[in-house]
Amino acid sequence: DIQMTQSPASLYASVGDEITITCRASHTISTHLNWYQQKPGKAPQLLITAVSRLQSGLPSRISGSGSGTQFSLTINNLQPEDFATYYCQQSFSTPLTFGGGTRVQ
Amino acid sequence: QVELQESGPRLMKPSETLSLTCTVSGGSMRSYYWSWIRQSPGKGLEWIGYIYSRGSATYNPSLASRMSMSEDTSMNQFSLKLRSVTGADSAVYYCARIRGVSTGFEVDNWGQGTLVTVSS
Repeated sequence: DIQMTQSPASLYASVGDEITITCRASHTISTHLNWYQQKPGKAPQLLITAVSRLQSGLPSRISGSGSGTQFSLTINNLQPEDFATYYCQQSFSTPLTFGGGTRVQ
Repeated sequence: QVELQESGPRLMKPSETLSLTCTVSGGSMRSYYWSWIRQSPGKGLEWIGYIYSRGSATYNPSLASRMSMSEDTSMNQFSLKLRSVTGADSAVYYCARIRGVSTGFEVDNWGQGTLVTVSS
């Protein structure tokens, strides 16, 4: 299985901040990397696919980058609706695996 | 807009078989992979498996020996059976739709999730 390691596990931020979450894969996954946002009591929602493709309707202050084994999610000008938990997920091979999550609070 | 809804028991005893069904509304089941994903405090998000293309399925090897998935496209439903459950199987179970694209598999639609608790 490909292990996905996210850091940090949690971070404190304020409205207007820029945050970066990193995700490391145990094996190279090319650009087969997705990001999800989850709010308490809700299912995760797809944010970014293939490292950097922002889902339709989402603000451009959210971006992704990376390749191979190292990836990052950056949110500029953090807004109140961005306080949530974020997960990376590799789609290179089955079993599909997720990172442990980063809580932004 | 496709919507997914899980149904099934919420409380189970150890050694029983968990049976969950997902009903898909607002769209066809064709051309997608239909999946179960669970989330527990201890293990985070765990992909269980998916079913596609008239009943073909791929399972997480960690669960493959005691699970099966099936689909009923005439009813727009797919199902999960997980045998011999233990407390470690307590989790929120999500059904989900997966797109298979050139850059892999993207979970683009999730059900609201159903909490399953295994306790004697």
